Amino acid sequence: EPEVTQTPSHQVTQMGQEVILRCVPISNHLYFYWYRQILGQKVEFLVSFYNNEISEKSEIFDDQFSVERPDGSNFTLKIRSTKLEDSAMYFCASNGQATGELFFGEGSRLTVL
Amino acid sequence: DAKTTQPPSMDCAEGRAANLPCNHSTISGNEYVYWYRQIHSQGPQYIIHGLKNNETNEMASLIITEDRKSSTLILPHATLRDTAVYYCIVRSDSGGYQKVTFGTGTKLQVIP
Repeated sequence: EPEVTQTPSHQVTQMGQEVILRCVPISNHLYFYWYRQILGQKVEFLVSFYNNEISEKSEIFDDQFSVERPDGSNFTLKIRSTKLEDSAMYFCASNGQATGELFFGEGSRLTVL
Repeated sequence: DAKTTQPPSMDCAEGRAANLPCNHSTISGNEYVYWYRQIHSQGPQYIIHGLKNNETNEMASLIITEDRKSSTLILPHATLRDTAVYYCIVRSDSGGYQKVTFGTGTKLQVIP
């Protein structure tokens, strides 16, 4: 069964460092999303991406965050200068045009020290 | 998207049916009811969705009341692996752009 894959599964970084989280969505999907979940809290929407541009972003998704789809398969989330409060699980998701369901990856755990 | 209300937690004995309720009294005519679950910090997993008819798949059944103001997700024979947080979400599209807004859901504990 096709699945969304994310790397790395866990990354530890120092505050102020840049981090790139990678996702490979399901191959024929057109809509891509990043969510995050701070430990013990709700899953929160960050950003959606369609047709090579951001379609919607939340208040969380400030200038420190960026997304791109550099090669038609990978979908990346970059955090330019990490803060302690960026520590969270980051989930990538995708869906196709006709499907009503969102497919999530297993997440990347980011720990900022 | 319409607001939903779910109990914060429920227990269910292993092997019994788990019935998870959801209220969505402000649902509008073109809004679907979706259910997702999250097993212990894994990525959320789609379960089922419906508009007004009852739906069944290999994971669960979805019963929507005739006035569509509430629904019940039924896991017919709950196992320990069904222990998870279950999210009821109402949204207007069944295809295309699928931004999902998660609430706090119902934490289902399946007891041996």
